[in-house]
Amino acid sequence: DADVTQTPRNRITKTGKRIMLECSQTKGHDRMYWYRQDPGLGLRLIYYSFDVKDINKGEISDGYSVSRQAQAKFSLSLESAIPNQTALYFCATSDPTSGRYNEQFFGPGTRLTVL
Amino acid sequence: GESVGLHLPTLSVQEGDNSIINCAYSNSASDYFIWYKQESGKGPQFIIDIRSNMDKRQGQRVTVLLNKTVKHLSLQIAATQPGDSAVYFCAENITPGGNKLVFGAGTILRVKS
Repeated sequence: DADVTQTPRNRITKTGKRIMLECSQTKGHDRMYWYRQDPGLGLRLIYYSFDVKDINKGEISDGYSVSRQAQAKFSLSLESAIPNQTALYFCATSDPTSGRYNEQFFGPGTRLTVL
Repeated sequence: GESVGLHLPTLSVQEGDNSIINCAYSNSASDYFIWYKQESGKGPQFIIDIRSNMDKRQGQRVTVLLNKTVKHLSLQIAATQPGDSAVYFCAENITPGGNKLVFGAGTILRVKS
């Protein structure tokens, strides 16, 4: 079984709709992240959470919100989707106490299209 | 350096040759520099990192070089294999003691058999 799972894997929606992307992990990591990836660009950090009570904005948080429901679950919401939020979204986890300080474990991604 | 936009730089190498992928970074305060590999249809995967007080680190078939004078990072892959074909991203850890990464745009590596 995959350690970091994302649902849905693909989603097509319309402008103005509310969308939730979900991420679950079985790695037992405290730290979780949401990134978006656009063609020709690297990954950009949307939000991150270092534990259940900790939520932080990344570089492109406008138009997004998150919820850390449990250590294993971190969901990303688009309150009112717009076409320029069409992108590939990745969830990631990390455990800096493991000795692999910079290693983040990524899910398979969710491809979101906003029409 | 990294390109920003729709067209990523592409490196084509013959199977068995060595590959060198380059990256320019911007933040002098970054304490770690990292390389990730992303295969088609998958999420990025950690390859290797290097602390800012080092200039070279070796892993299995990979070597990362850091030149802080010119803010340049490179990834060398020895004896490149078809399975190395992917997009390679450099990243900086911009929060010393933290875990916040800033990724470059990526370089496509194509391995010809």
